[in-house]
Amino acid sequence: DTGVSQNPRHKITKRGQNVTFRCDPISEHNRLYWYRQTLGQGPEFLTYFQNEAQLEKSRLLSDRFSAERPKGSFSTLEIQRTEQGDSAMYLCASSVQGVGAGEGWADTQYFGPGTRLTVL
Amino acid sequence: DQQVKQNSPSLSVQEGRISILNCDYTNSMFDYFLWYKKYPAEGPTFLISISSIKDKNEDGRFTVFLNKSAKHLSLHIVPSQPGDSAVYFCAASSGTYKYIFGTGTRLKVLA
Repeated sequence: DTGVSQNPRHKITKRGQNVTFRCDPISEHNRLYWYRQTLGQGPEFLTYFQNEAQLEKSRLLSDRFSAERPKGSFSTLEIQRTEQGDSAMYLCASSVQGVGAGEGWADTQYFGPGTRLTVL
Repeated sequence: DQQVKQNSPSLSVQEGRISILNCDYTNSMFDYFLWYKKYPAEGPTFLISISSIKDKNEDGRFTVFLNKSAKHLSLHIVPSQPGDSAVYFCAASSGTYKYIFGTGTRLKVLA
């Protein structure tokens, strides 16, 4: 069983360019999450999918950001007109609803290695 | 408004000794807590979790303690090993899928 994979691992782009990242979750995981992590901070929630439905978007996710999970499997995160403030590690995680050490709804999220974005 | 706080940015411990990492939270609605370990250039790796109906959970060398009245949780690693050197994040959730993470504590285990 492979873990969560993300591509590319690193991306350097110039301000104003568009970038797209891909996340492949653990197979059969129906929940998928995107987080962003900047230096000295913990991961911050961006958005969440249950199957193909995007159920929540953080206010951190401006109109320049869009995420999709078209067939309920892999997901893409696109940033349009990148800004230097977008430089961060973008993390993807997946989980199976209701499976984890918690009770009821609680599940455990498994993270990928992340995509490090540098905007020049 | 940091809802999950890890007030110690770093910690050094001798190999074989106990490592204690602390985490405080402010939101009394949090009912599920997790610890993740992160090595450089890798994503966070799940370590151990606890729900609010328990006050202790053990997994091998790792034990998490939850004190709901103090809104405090801690991770104990016994015995500490050099391979445990990493950044440790605590995370909390309140009946949703969204995790709120602390800022992390860098643990260094000295051989």
